[in-house]
Amino acid sequence: AQSVSQHNHHVILSEAASLELGCNYSYGGTVNLFWYVQYPGQHLQLLLKYFSGDPLVKGIKGFEAEFIKSKFSFNLRKPSVQWSDTAEYFCAVRSQGGTSYGKLTFGQGTILTVHP
Amino acid sequence: KAGVTQTPRYLIKTRGQQVTLSCSPISGHRSVSWYQQTPGQGLQFLFEYFSETQRNKGNFPGRFSGRQFSNSRSEMNVSTLELGDSALYLCASSPWTSLQETQYFGPGTRLLVL
Repeated sequence: AQSVSQHNHHVILSEAASLELGCNYSYGGTVNLFWYVQYPGQHLQLLLKYFSGDPLVKGIKGFEAEFIKSKFSFNLRKPSVQWSDTAEYFCAVRSQGGTSYGKLTFGQGTILTVHP
Repeated sequence: KAGVTQTPRYLIKTRGQQVTLSCSPISGHRSVSWYQQTPGQGLQFLFEYFSETQRNKGNFPGRFSGRQFSNSRSEMNVSTLELGDSALYLCASSPWTSLQETQYFGPGTRLLVL
């Protein structure tokens, strides 16, 4: 079965610092990749997604992620975080084959706290 | 468009009871997926329904079941509740069942089993 690993459980930054959240997945075939965010008191919502093409994808609120197939990684980045980016971030993978076909598998989540 | 709605939002049950949770997808969405979120296990896929048919199923015991109606609304049922079933149950809808579809999540139903 596929698995998704997020490197950090809790990241604490000051405003204007750069952010990189790591995400690695286990499935070796074709995958669709997602980053979701959950702001305090709100629903999970999509930040960005990758299906094919340019491995650098841009999402909402200045976030971007890079798919590196050889490293099975899909790291999330933002050059300069704001206090309003405080939230929990989830990496998710949907494989196009294997025993986990079609199932959206989430990482454990990374809590980001941004201090003003 | 109204978002995904889930009812009830909070629920307290005792061990051995059964519970039914409801999900109304975004208008026009035909696929509904259910997830369980707990502090220890994170977000785990339960099942997906499309056109009243279960398309995919996660690794949960048979006590967890679901169904989808012709208007795309979905229900999930948990029978013989256990303490470990205490969790936030999330429903997500998407227009179709393509692997590339974005899923839109509801607020969840928080279930506490005593």
